[in-house]
Amino acid sequence: DAGVIQSPRHEVTEMGQEVTLRCKPISGHDYLFWYRQTMMRGLELLIYFNNNVPIDDSGMPEDRFSAKMPNASFSTLKIQPSEPRDSAVYFCASSPQASYGYTFGSGTRLTVV
Amino acid sequence: GQNIDQPTEMTATEGAIVQINCTYQTSGFNGLFWYQQHAGEAPTFLSYNVLDGLEEKGRFSSFLSRSKGYSYLLLKELQMKDSASYLCAVRDPAGAGSYQLTFGKGTKLSVIP
Repeated sequence: DAGVIQSPRHEVTEMGQEVTLRCKPISGHDYLFWYRQTMMRGLELLIYFNNNVPIDDSGMPEDRFSAKMPNASFSTLKIQPSEPRDSAVYFCASSPQASYGYTFGSGTRLTVV
Repeated sequence: GQNIDQPTEMTATEGAIVQINCTYQTSGFNGLFWYQQHAGEAPTFLSYNVLDGLEEKGRFSSFLSRSKGYSYLLLKELQMKDSASYLCAVRDPAGAGSYQLTFGKGTKLSVIP
């Protein structure tokens, strides 16, 4: 298995632009998680899905952030409009229902200038 | 609410043993996890404890005391490649279907010759 695949690996954008991050979970994993990592706050959960349904989005910072999972093999995290404080590494992770560990993707390093 | 505390940084000598502590206060508890994260890479799963006691896996061991809200990760025979951040994470079953992990900010371990 190729693992959790995220794209792009790096994204540099100007303030006010729309940013879309993509994730392909491991086939057969029912849970998908979006995390954000910064030096100040560490890894923070933004939202997670179970069987493509959003379960908890209480970590989404504000309305500028949205996430979708249209099918079992694809999810997006969108920021519109982006701001410099959104600069961070965004990780996607997936997990089988019966398992206890996450598998993380390689992350997307987002820089908003 | 949830609070997970770990030391920010530690330094140890190659070949030695190091213990990384983690304390937590959560409204519920359903497992404690340790992840390793090398600089610029994704976190990778190391260990899982749900019952009190020691879990050993090669050079790495993890201990849990639920009554004390305390865990540690023990690394033996340190190697230079063990230089990384070590993240403690707790699963708090806040509600039906809750499956997410809350992470500490991580302990950056530097192994020196």
